[in-house]
Amino acid sequence: DAMVIQNPRYQVTQFGKPVTLSCSQTLNHNVMYWYQQKSSQAPKLLFHYYDKDFNNEADTPDNFQSRRPNTSFCFLDIRSPGLGDAAMYLCATAQRGGLETQYFGPGTRLLVL
Amino acid sequence: AQSVTQPDIHITVSEGASLELRCNYSYGATPYLFWYVQSPGQGLQLLLKYFSGDTLVQGIKGFEAEFKRSQSSFNLRKPSVHWSDAAEYFCAAGGGADGLTFGKGTHLIIQP
Repeated sequence: DAMVIQNPRYQVTQFGKPVTLSCSQTLNHNVMYWYQQKSSQAPKLLFHYYDKDFNNEADTPDNFQSRRPNTSFCFLDIRSPGLGDAAMYLCATAQRGGLETQYFGPGTRLLVL
Repeated sequence: AQSVTQPDIHITVSEGASLELRCNYSYGATPYLFWYVQSPGQGLQLLLKYFSGDTLVQGIKGFEAEFKRSQSSFNLRKPSVHWSDAAEYFCAAGGGADGLTFGKGTHLIIQP
């Protein structure tokens, strides 16, 4: 089945220690998104890639970076995680020019000690 | 500014009863509209979406939603809920190369 895969499902890191979350897709969609969802809150868009073009939301902290080496993979790098970065991180994909629906992965829950 | 409002933070419904979850949006033009469901610790599953055309849209798991332009609303309904419907429900607007703007969610509790 075509899908959005996120690894790992749970990630524990230490305060200030860089961490990378990964997302892959078999849908061959041209847009990939990263959302941050804190406890009991709505998902909040951090940034997205349209093909190789990176689009950062204005209020996304510089501490968050992203890489998309190819169509299938997208990574979220947190350079120096703080306690406030503990959250669920959701990856989503969509096809621009197609049905425009976003399909979400299961998420990675990040814990910062 | 674009916004999506879900006025009910929690809703409790008896199993077998009907359900309506409210959603209002504020956008420059009619956006694409979506309802997603999220079980604890899980990602978001798409229930249904509205792009254009028929204002009553059918989704998975017996859900439907009605788009009302005059009220800027996109309410989710189900005629008879099941215990497995207990979850967090998010209304969202936007789409395409832009991200989605989500409401704050409605937590649905099902009473036996």
